[in-house]
Amino acid sequence: AQSVTQLGSHVSVSEGALVLLRCNYSSSVPPYLFWYVQYPNQGLQLLLKYTSAATLVKGINGFEAEFKKSETSFHLTKPSAHMSDAAEYFCAVSENQAGTALIFGKGTTLSVSS
Amino acid sequence: DSGVTQTPKHLITATGQRVTLRCSPRSGDLSVYWYQQSLDQGLQFLIQYYNGEERAKGNILERFSAQQFPDLHSELNLSSLELGDSALYFCASSTSSGNTIYFGEGSWLTVV
Repeated sequence: AQSVTQLGSHVSVSEGALVLLRCNYSSSVPPYLFWYVQYPNQGLQLLLKYTSAATLVKGINGFEAEFKKSETSFHLTKPSAHMSDAAEYFCAVSENQAGTALIFGKGTTLSVSS
Repeated sequence: DSGVTQTPKHLITATGQRVTLRCSPRSGDLSVYWYQQSLDQGLQFLIQYYNGEERAKGNILERFSAQQFPDLHSELNLSSLELGDSALYFCASSTSSGNTIYFGEGSWLTVV
């Protein structure tokens, strides 16, 4: 069965600092991996997705993630945090490229301080 | 605004009752998905419909049911409600190719 584990339920960074949110996956088949962001009182928004075309995936708002098969990881990074990045971030895996029946991690809350 | 509309936004009801959550997908999207977000279970996939037919089923309880109507809107019916059903219920939709799933803002259900 597929699953994802997000390390750290809460990450705090200063404005301008590097953002690193960790996600490890478990899958018996080539996975399709996704990062979603949820701002307070809003739905989930797709940040980026890995569908085997390229291991380094660039998403919206300056975020990117790198698929590392040897480490079964898909960590999310952003070089310089902005106050508006404060939100909850979810890593998810799907058995298909369309991302149906997504299996989500527990989520990581990102706090950004000035 | 994702284009996915969910009603009601907030709902408070008593244990044992039945509620219906409604979802209008983005214009042209044929697939509708329902997810439940709770503190205990996190985000869980419940069920997917495609053009009126059930396509995939996740961790949906037998007390819950869903359907997608000819106009493509969907309803999630929750019955014999328990305190543990209190959660944020998301609807999402995607195009027929399913490239990107767009989420609504959710319906907050509180069971008292």
